[in-house]
Amino acid sequence: KQEVTQIPAALSVPEGENLVLNCSFTDSAIYNLQWFRQDPGKGLTSLLLIQSSQREQTSGRLNASLDKSSGRSTLYIAASQPGDSATYLCACKRVETGANNLFFGTGTRLTVIP
Amino acid sequence: NAGVMQNPRHLVRRRGQEARLRCSPMKGHSHVYWYRQLPEEGLKFMVYLQKENIIDESGMPKERFSAEFPKEGPSILRIQQVVRGDSAAYFCASSLGRVYNEQFFGPGTRLTVL
Repeated sequence: KQEVTQIPAALSVPEGENLVLNCSFTDSAIYNLQWFRQDPGKGLTSLLLIQSSQREQTSGRLNASLDKSSGRSTLYIAASQPGDSATYLCACKRVETGANNLFFGTGTRLTVIP
Repeated sequence: NAGVMQNPRHLVRRRGQEARLRCSPMKGHSHVYWYRQLPEEGLKFMVYLQKENIIDESGMPKERFSAEFPKEGPSILRIQQVVRGDSAAYFCASSLGRVYNEQFFGPGTRLTVL
């Protein structure tokens, strides 16, 4: 069974700081890993998708890396802004016949202080 | 190109009533997933459907819950005889393909059982 853990559970940083969010998963047999952000009371916005054959993906100020063998992914946010405040979720899709679901971590709640 | 649409956004039911949650996937997407987010918990997979077929319902409670994705119209998640423990946010996601494709999420339906 796949278990996904995100550390820390909450993080506060001053505006402009670079930061790293961590995600670990127990079963390295995954197809891909997605990072999402969730604003309070809202749905999930997909940020980055990394296929199992890739090492990293970049979008603007975001960079996500994947190390399948060690069961880890990181989300790097450069020059953080107050608008980045949200809960960040990672989720991975396990290799399993017929299955297509994502396993989610419980998230890191990020607060960027102006 | 509208994203994944869910309605209603908020639903209040009394214990014993039925709840029907609707999800319209993104245009061109034929794969639909339902996830549940209980208060202070992570998202958990419930069911994966393609048009007219349930592919994987391993996360669905055995009783009172059912899902369908008819040939025409939205996917429906139906909860019969709701109980207070069913209060949660229910998210629908869709994807273009099965394995390697990104899942896009709707805004969710927040169900409150009185």
